[in-house]
Amino acid sequence: KNEVEQSPQNLTAQEGEFITINCSYSVGISALHWLQQHPGGGIVSLFMLSSGKKKHGRLIATINIQEKHSSLHITASHPRDSAVYICAVSGTYKYIFGTGTRLKVLA
Amino acid sequence: EAQVTQNPRYLITVTGKKLTVTCSQNMNHEYMSWYRQDPGLGLRQIYYSMNVEVTDKGDVPEGYKVSRKEKRNFPLILESPSPNQTSLYFCASSPGTASYEQYFGPGTRLTVT
Repeated sequence: KNEVEQSPQNLTAQEGEFITINCSYSVGISALHWLQQHPGGGIVSLFMLSSGKKKHGRLIATINIQEKHSSLHITASHPRDSAVYICAVSGTYKYIFGTGTRLKVLA
Repeated sequence: EAQVTQNPRYLITVTGKKLTVTCSQNMNHEYMSWYRQDPGLGLRQIYYSMNVEVTDKGDVPEGYKVSRKEKRNFPLILESPSPNQTSLYFCASSPGTASYEQYFGPGTRLTVT
């Protein structure tokens, strides 16, 4: 069993839909990270969380430390949100990544 | 512009021919790290560096070497590349420990034949 599990692996949505991507982990962590990787390959950090909730524009990330679970929500999804979303957990110096959720938003 | 640069971006080489992938950041970050990304396996950490002259192994260090002689540079060295090191490689940096947001380089696609 992987230490970081994401679901779903693939997701297709219609423009405007509310999207949720889930991440569960089984190790102790200092922080949880959500990353976005566009088809060109570049990786951008969206959020870093150690507790609670963060919001950037239409993106919301939450973490429940007791449940070892995090969710990434996209409100009013748009085709430009099409990308791979990667959950990662970090200790003091090490990172462990999930295998990613491939999101496609149709116009 | 704050950035992490990697060179080369694409490389095709043959088994056993030593190569170096360079990584440089202009943000005065202490922490730097190398990852490889493979289909179905996701990103995996190869090596990381907490500061100049301080490096340690990640989850998949076999076949790789690193050095951190200057704060801005963190090269990845493959002394004798093998086909199983064909992968997409990313360098990243952050201000301190792993509890900061990372800045990723653009990636280096390596093919070893």
